[in-house]
Amino acid sequence: EPEVTQTPSHQVTQMGQEVILRCVPISNHLYFYWYRQILGQKVEFLVSFYNNEISEKSEIFDDQFSVERPDGSNFTLKIRSTKLEDSAMYFCASSAQGQEKLFFGSGTQLSVL
Amino acid sequence: DQQVKQNSPSLSVQEGRISILNCDYTNSMFDYFLWYKKYPAEGPTFLISISSIKDKNEDGRFTVFLNKSAKHLSLHIVPSQPGDSAVYFCAASDVGGTASKLTFGTGTRLQVTL
Repeated sequence: EPEVTQTPSHQVTQMGQEVILRCVPISNHLYFYWYRQILGQKVEFLVSFYNNEISEKSEIFDDQFSVERPDGSNFTLKIRSTKLEDSAMYFCASSAQGQEKLFFGSGTQLSVL
Repeated sequence: DQQVKQNSPSLSVQEGRISILNCDYTNSMFDYFLWYKKYPAEGPTFLISISSIKDKNEDGRFTVFLNKSAKHLSLHIVPSQPGDSAVYFCAASDVGGTASKLTFGTGTRLQVTL
């Protein structure tokens, strides 16, 4: 069964450093997303991406965040200058169409020290 | 911001019995509802969904009920199996927009005991 894959599974970084989280969505999907879950809290929407541009973003997704689809298969989330409060599990997801079920990857656990 | 609420953080059910997980929402613009299951160190896995034009959707052992007037939905699992032990998230999506911006609840941890 096709799946969303995320790398790395764990990322440790120093505060102020840049990180790039990588995702390979399901190949025939057109919509891509990033969500995150801070420990003990709910899963939160960050951004959706369609047709090579951001279609919607949350308040969390400020200027420190950016997304890119550099080629036909990868979808990345960049945090320019990490803060302690960016520590969370980051989930990539994709869907074939809008307004339907999302398929999630296993996540990248980001720890900012 | 508690647009989707799951008031029971945990639930314990005996194997073979029915598990009922509840979810309430406040945003009347939500028109599509989903349940996800999550195991530790894994991403959420889609379980079942329901559109606001329906009040019930069934898939094998899983049934979701939607009561729009009460802004309430529930997931029934029958019979419950030990492999169902996981955290269950209710999620909702609103009208408009092209992509599925899901608002999640805080989750209910289901433990199915032998």
